[in-house]
Parts: sequence; C-alpha cells; structure tokens
Amino acid sequence: EIVLTQSPATLSLSPGERATLSCRASQSVSSYLAWYQQKPGQAPRLLIYDASNRATGIPARFSGSGSGTDFTLTISSLEPEDFAVYYCQQRSNWPPKYTFGQGTKLEIK
Amino acid sequence: EVQLVESGGVVVQPGGSLRLSCAASGFTFDDYTMHWVRQAPGKGLEWVSLISWDGGSTYYADSVKGRFTISRDNSKNSLYLQMNSLRTEDTALYYCAKARRYGDPYSGAYYFDYWGQGTLVTVSS
Repeated sequence: EIVLTQSPATLSLSPGERATLSCRASQSVSSYLAWYQQKPGQAPRLLIYDASNRATGIPARFSGSGSGTDFTLTISSLEPEDFAVYYCQQRSNWPPKYTFGQGTKLEIK
Repeated sequence: EVQLVESGGVVVQPGGSLRLSCAASGFTFDDYTMHWVRQAPGKGLEWVSLISWDGGSTYYADSVKGRFTISRDNSKNSLYLQMNSLRTEDTALYYCAKARRYGDPYSGAYYFDYWGQGTLVTVSS
C-alpha cells in the first residue's frame, strides 16, 4: 500500500508570501497525484491533477510539480482565501484504492 | 449544476447498523464511478469505497471490508452505503464523491471532481 506523507503539518505565512507544500509517496506513483483544498465546514475541492495540471477554474497562482515520489504544491502569492488545509491524493492501480496524505494546514501568520 | 446530497447520518451504538444515501443530480449518474470518503472529526480524509457505473464492481478500504456494502440504484440516481458492525472509530463525516478520468481518455487517472457536503455518523454508547 502506498503511503503519502505531507510536510509540513502546519505552515504559517502572511498574505502575499509564497507557499510551498510537499507530498512524498512511499513508492512511485508516476505523475498520478492530485491536490485538494479544504476550507472549514466545506467539502474538498480539486486543485491540481496529474501532478501539474490545474483543474477547471483554479487560479494561476496555484501550481504543482513533481513525479515519481516527490511532489510540490506552490501558491505563488497567498490570498486571504487560500488559508485552508491541503491534501495530496493518489490511486493505486490494482486493486483500485485511493490514498490521501494527512494534510498540511496553511494558516495566517 | 452537479449536486450530491447525502443523508442518513445519526447517532448509533457500537455494533449497530446504518444506511447512508446520496442523491445525485446535474449529470448522467450511470456514466460514472461513485465513491464514499469519510473524515473523522478534526482529522484527514479517508477513502472508504467505490462502485462502478453499473454496480458490477465494488472495492473497499481494509478498515471497512466485510462490514460496509456500497450499492447504487441508477433508476433513482442514488448511491448507498450500508454500514454494519459499527465501531467508535467509524465516527466521521461521510462524503459522497463523484470521480472522473482526467488526461488520456483511456489510461488517465481518476480524481474526485465533485463532493457532497457530507452526513455525520456518530458511533457512541
């Protein structure tokens, strides 16, 4: 079973700063990794799929990179609405099972 | 507009049973694989189960295998989760989620593109 480990657990930054979030897989997932954003009281929202592709309607300040086992979500200049919890996610091929990282909380400094 | 509306969450005693429902609208329900994902209070996301478009294939997380059963009724655009032998660790907000293939139409990976707002299941004596 593939385990996803996110770091840091909590990231404290100010609006306008750059945020860099990490997700490491216990074995290669190729580029099949997604990032989701979850705000308090809301369902998760897909941000990035296939490691580097923005989902529909996602602002250009969000970008993803990486392949294999190491992935990064970057928010180039934080807006107030970006403070939330971010999860990475992958799907194993067979049997199909989905795994999430434990999340990174991005909080206002 | 895609909508997923979960219902059925209540307080139940350990060892009890419960059936969750998810009403789908705004898309062709029987074209898509559907999932349940849960989130314990203050914790992260945990995938629970998936069912293929026709109900012919189902898969479960190890933590619920043998206790939970996913099903669907395409004539009613509805998804279900039958939960038996409930444990305190099953306490969570249960989301219904739609997934679709991204990238290559034949080999691309599946990701969750729409989620409901969740229904809360509390297992407590």
